[in-house]
Amino acid sequence: NAGVTQTPKFQVLKTGQSMTLQCAQDMNHNSMYWYRQDPGMGLRLIYYSASEGTTDKGEVPNGYNVSRLNKREFSLRLESAAPSQTSVYFCASSERRKVEAFFGQGTRLTVV
Amino acid sequence: QKEVEQNSGPLSVPEGAIASLNCTYSDRGSQSFFWYRQYSGKSPELIMFIYSNGDKEDGRFTAQLNKASQYVSLLIRDSQPSDSATYLCAVNQAGTALIFGKGTTLSVSS
Repeated sequence: NAGVTQTPKFQVLKTGQSMTLQCAQDMNHNSMYWYRQDPGMGLRLIYYSASEGTTDKGEVPNGYNVSRLNKREFSLRLESAAPSQTSVYFCASSERRKVEAFFGQGTRLTVV
Repeated sequence: QKEVEQNSGPLSVPEGAIASLNCTYSDRGSQSFFWYRQYSGKSPELIMFIYSNGDKEDGRFTAQLNKASQYVSLLIRDSQPSDSATYLCAVNQAGTALIFGKGTTLSVSS
């Protein structure tokens, strides 16, 4: 049982490059989330998808876009990476919104 | 801005002692509350959740909720060095997703 799987685990980008972080869950969950975690800042919500076909902004959406491809997959895209986007990114899923969420292993992104 | 507040610590306790971790939240409409444990370099792992006022026990862990005071706590009895981690409090926020505090770092010395 894989749970929530994120790819890649590590990535280094140059300023201005674009990339997509992939996330897939096999728990048949309806809701999926993207958080970023920075030292001293805790986990901050970037975007979430309450159900397939819907997405909503969280606390820090600027510079990001998301796609809920199907019930299993929720991707996060950085169109033009900036050093301020250097962070650890976590994808999570839950059976429905506002109940316990389960996290992927994280993607450590460095923008130089 | 609705917030979840935690003392960043570090909280240091000797092995075998009780560790008490605290969290306050600002959204009175919050209905469910969660504690996650995060080891360095790892992802958050759910420990407990609580929905009703009072205490909820699971092994060495007890979650306590006081909605009137907007306060939730986690007690860890018989603390072990393996409990050394960062503990994240999370609160559901109406209309969005779980909102997390910044976490409290716990250090258990043997």
